[in-house]
Amino acid sequence: ETGVTQSPTHLIKTRGQQVTLRCSSQSGHNTVSWYQQALGQGPQFIFQYYREEENGRGNFPPRFSGLQFPNYSSELNVNALELDDSALYLCASSLGRTTEAFFGQGTRLTVV
Amino acid sequence: GIQVEQSPPDLILQEGANSTLRCNFSDSVNNLQWFHQNPWGQLINLFYIPSGTKQNGRLSATTVATERYSLLYISSSQTTDSGVYFCAVGSNYQLIWGAGTKLIIKP
Repeated sequence: ETGVTQSPTHLIKTRGQQVTLRCSSQSGHNTVSWYQQALGQGPQFIFQYYREEENGRGNFPPRFSGLQFPNYSSELNVNALELDDSALYLCASSLGRTTEAFFGQGTRLTVV
Repeated sequence: GIQVEQSPPDLILQEGANSTLRCNFSDSVNNLQWFHQNPWGQLINLFYIPSGTKQNGRLSATTVATERYSLLYISSSQTTDSGVYFCAVGSNYQLIWGAGTKLIIKP
């Protein structure tokens, strides 16, 4: 059974650019959630995908968007990057929308 | 929205000591998880415990849902226990996180 994997692990982008982060869910899981964790803080919910549909969204602007594919893997896209987008981005998968979540190792994004 | 408070914010202990971490939450929840975040950022699942008591080796956890709190016990601490411990509660489809307890175990 493979766990949750994210790519890339580290990324440096310039302000104004666009970025795509990827997540492969754990085998058998149909739900993927994305979180942003700023340094020294707890993670903040960005959105959740359940069976390829956005199931809920946190307090993030529309330039944060996502996709879930038929194999339940997912992408997080961020347009018009700002310096404050620098953070650890965490992907979690679960079997269902409210059950135990398992996290990938994260993607550390630095915007310069 | 639901508020999650963790205490203490920081804890420094000698190897071999025991500790209790607390998580208070402000409303009914359908999910509660404890995580250990290592220095590289990986969140490691410790317990999925919406209610009741569970034990896993030197770690145990208790959630009293009616009183809206959960406790994480670490016994006979080891230096590898160092890191940040998060409590996260489920509200509908999202996890709401506390600010974490930073635990440092000195040899």
